[in-house]
Amino acid sequence: EDKVVQSPLSLVVHEGDTVTLNCSYEVTNFRSLLWYKQEKKAPTFLFMLTSSGIEKKSGRLSSILDKKELFSILNITATQTGDSAVYLCAVNAFPTNSGYALNFGKGTSLLVTP
Amino acid sequence: NAGVTQTPKFRVLKTGQSMTLLCAQDMNHEYMYWYRQDPGMGLRLIHYSVGEGTTAKGEVPDGYNVSRLKKQNFLLGLESAAPSQTSVYFCASSSPGQGNYGYTFGSGTRLTVV
Repeated sequence: EDKVVQSPLSLVVHEGDTVTLNCSYEVTNFRSLLWYKQEKKAPTFLFMLTSSGIEKKSGRLSSILDKKELFSILNITATQTGDSAVYLCAVNAFPTNSGYALNFGKGTSLLVTP
Repeated sequence: NAGVTQTPKFRVLKTGQSMTLLCAQDMNHEYMYWYRQDPGMGLRLIHYSVGEGTTAKGEVPDGYNVSRLKKQNFLLGLESAAPSQTSVYFCASSSPGQGNYGYTFGSGTRLTVV
């Protein structure tokens, strides 16, 4: 059975801190890993990773995938209160008979305090 | 473009009542999905469709039925609602060949079964 495990489940930090969120997976026929940010509404896309070792970066957020060790990390530097959200990791796998259905982890709830 | 539109946004049902959630997309996407999200959980796939006239079961299909008579619409039905179906329901659509698979979520439907 495919599994996506995120850690920690919750995290409280002070503004300006750097945080690292983890996502490990066990998926047959892995195709891609996606990170989303969710703030009490629909998830918002952050990154899609398909190749090991290639860092994706957007402003203060970055992410990298390790396909050998089956995990990904999401880094947020110089955190701001607006980063407070649930961060979801999701994995997509071949074959394509399920379209591009995503298998989600439970999420990491991040609270950034002033 | 409206993207993915879900109706209704909120609903309260009594146990045993039935209802239909409507999802409409205007991006000509082939694939559509229904997910549910419970507190402290990521999204879990209920049913999905890889094209007009086709549907298939996801991870948690029991108690739900779906139909995709038109490419742009994906309906989720609850024939006899149960309190365990209290959840937030997200519809999504996607298309191969687009970045992020063109994954687009609706804004969600919050359903309470009393």
